[in-house]
Amino acid sequence: NAGVTQTPKFQVLKTGQSMTLQCAQDMNHNSMYWYRQDPGMGLRLIYYSASEGTTDKGEVPNGYNVSRLNKREFSLRLESAAPSQTSVYFCASSVGRGLGVHEQYFGPGTRLTVT
Amino acid sequence: AQSVTQLDSHVSVSEGTPVLLRCNYSSSYSPSLFWYVQHPNKGLQLLLKYTSAATLVKGINGFEAEFKKSETSFHLTKPSAHMSDAAEYFCVVSAPSSGYNKLIFGAGTRLAVHP
Repeated sequence: NAGVTQTPKFQVLKTGQSMTLQCAQDMNHNSMYWYRQDPGMGLRLIYYSASEGTTDKGEVPNGYNVSRLNKREFSLRLESAAPSQTSVYFCASSVGRGLGVHEQYFGPGTRLTVT
Repeated sequence: AQSVTQLDSHVSVSEGTPVLLRCNYSSSYSPSLFWYVQHPNKGLQLLLKYTSAATLVKGINGFEAEFKKSETSFHLTKPSAHMSDAAEYFCVVSAPSSGYNKLIFGAGTRLAVHP
């Protein structure tokens, strides 16, 4: 049981390049999330997927797109990377459905640098 | 609207002495509250959660937190710090939104433990 896995662990991009961050969970969770973490700012939600087949914008969606490929996988795409997107990206998942309280489980993160 | 404020960005203690990490929250609902820990270059791990049951919540690794509605606080404590407790700690409030539980993170408190 690996929990939440993310690839790659590290990536360096030049401004304008594109890339996709991959995330998968094996806990049969309904909801998945992408966050970015910047120094002194905690985690900020980029996009989330409340259930398979749905995605919605979070707090900081500009410059990103997502795909909920199936129940297990949720990818984050940067179409044209900018230095402001230099950050650590975390994927998370939770049981989801309904308004009950469900803690989120986090992956190990992807450290992205855009030069 | 929900928000969370961690009152100290850095806390330094000696090994064997008590730990206190302070968190105040604002919520228009009866809140659900969490503490997460992040060790260097790792993902976030759930320490404990409050979900309107007992006000004193026990978590992993000897940590506990007390929910005080009158003070809108959810401070994290541990009687005796260990070197392995050195990490960043995030206080988090859960805000029901559109069928899922949005997590709102504090900016984090970095705990240093000295021999």
